Amino acid sequence: QKEVEQDPGPLSVPEGAIVSLNCTYSNSAFQYFMWYRQYSRKGPELLMYTYSSGNKEDGRFTAQVDKSSKYISLFIRDSQPSDSATYLCAITYSSASKIIFGSGTRLSIRP
Amino acid sequence: NAGVTQTPKFRVLKTGQSMTLLCAQDMNHEYMYWYRQDPGMGLRLIHYSVGEGTTAKGEVPDGYNVSRLKKQNFLLGLESAAPSQTSVYFCASSLRTSTYEQYFGPGTRLTVT
Repeated sequence: QKEVEQDPGPLSVPEGAIVSLNCTYSNSAFQYFMWYRQYSRKGPELLMYTYSSGNKEDGRFTAQVDKSSKYISLFIRDSQPSDSATYLCAITYSSASKIIFGSGTRLSIRP
Repeated sequence: NAGVTQTPKFRVLKTGQSMTLLCAQDMNHEYMYWYRQDPGMGLRLIHYSVGEGTTAKGEVPDGYNVSRLKKQNFLLGLESAAPSQTSVYFCASSLRTSTYEQYFGPGTRLTVT
């Protein structure tokens, strides 16, 4: 079983829609949960991270962690064509540990 | 402030040839990483370094070697390239105390024929 599983998509939604991206993980010991965004032919960049459980909001983006069900989500409100990218979830045990990445979900926002 | 840079951007090798990928960062980060990215596989850690002069194996180290002679540079070597090493290679760096926040380079697209 992979330590983190992510639906690869692709996911295509119209501009303005609410997008929900999700991952599941296997080990309850993970403490940090991240979302990286990767534009085509570019390196990934950190979008948001959450420590332990709960929600974190940054503008149109909300990251949510449910440790009881080992489920992490990224919500994008009022989606824009510029949000079209691959989104990778990632997990790690501590602030000094290696990261384990999901396989990424390719998202396309249609104008 | 260039961040993380990688050289070269593209390369085509024949099976059995060797090459070195260079990564440089100007953020004074202690930790540096080499990943490969293949379709449907996400990012897989090849090797990493927690400081100058130290290296460690990641998830997929076979066929690769690394060196970190200077804090700002991390080299990835392929001694005898194989078609299975066709991939996009990313270098990243982070502070020792926040490995969840990694800064990535633009990547090197390597094709082995």
